[in-house]
Amino acid sequence: EAQVTQNPRYLITVTGKKLTVTCSQNMNHEYMSWYRQDPGLGLRQIYYSMNVEVTDKGDVPEGYKVSRKEKRNFPLILESPSPNQTSLYFCASSLSNRGGNTIYFGEGSWLTVV
Amino acid sequence: GENVEQHPSTLSVQEGDSAVIKCTYSDSASNYFPWYKQELGKRPQLIIDIRSNVGEKKDQRIAVTLNKTAKHFSLHITETQPEDSAVYFCAASKSGSGGGADGLTFGKGTHLIIQP
Repeated sequence: EAQVTQNPRYLITVTGKKLTVTCSQNMNHEYMSWYRQDPGLGLRQIYYSMNVEVTDKGDVPEGYKVSRKEKRNFPLILESPSPNQTSLYFCASSLSNRGGNTIYFGEGSWLTVV
Repeated sequence: GENVEQHPSTLSVQEGDSAVIKCTYSDSASNYFPWYKQELGKRPQLIIDIRSNVGEKKDQRIAVTLNKTAKHFSLHITETQPEDSAVYFCAASKSGSGGGADGLTFGKGTHLIIQP
């Protein structure tokens, strides 16, 4: 079954404690990205990756890091989380970012930073 | 970069009536316009999309129209049912060229409420 898998799905953490949200897809997609969703602001792109070892900033990259060492995985790293990073996070993938390929979303990760 | 405006932010309609959600975009190079439906606590799911070489596309009770000249596109849901209640997002993107940063830009969403 084609899917995008995120972990953890729910996390409460404290300010400054490094955390990683993992994302994995089994569709051999080139393009992967991370979005955060906040009330009234919709979905905003944090980082994206065009392929292995190719990553770039989206609209709201501050406070986040990513890596793409393998095609299937695209972890989101919060080196020093702050309360304003409390949000719902979605990982997404598509075959490529050209030609309007369908984007598949993971189930989301609810993150609370206290 | 691309800017997508979506209206209204909340839409309440009687069951059986039609619902229309409108979006405008700023980048005339955008050529792909998907619509996503997000039920409470779940991931966005693609429900319909349209490309710039088409003016209208229909799938059962759902249709999308595109006006490239005016840079706006709309989602039409006819004969609404309770299960249509959700948040709907429009988005726009353009085909990548030379590896540019052409991901989707989303509107802020419309909360559609179907009144019984």
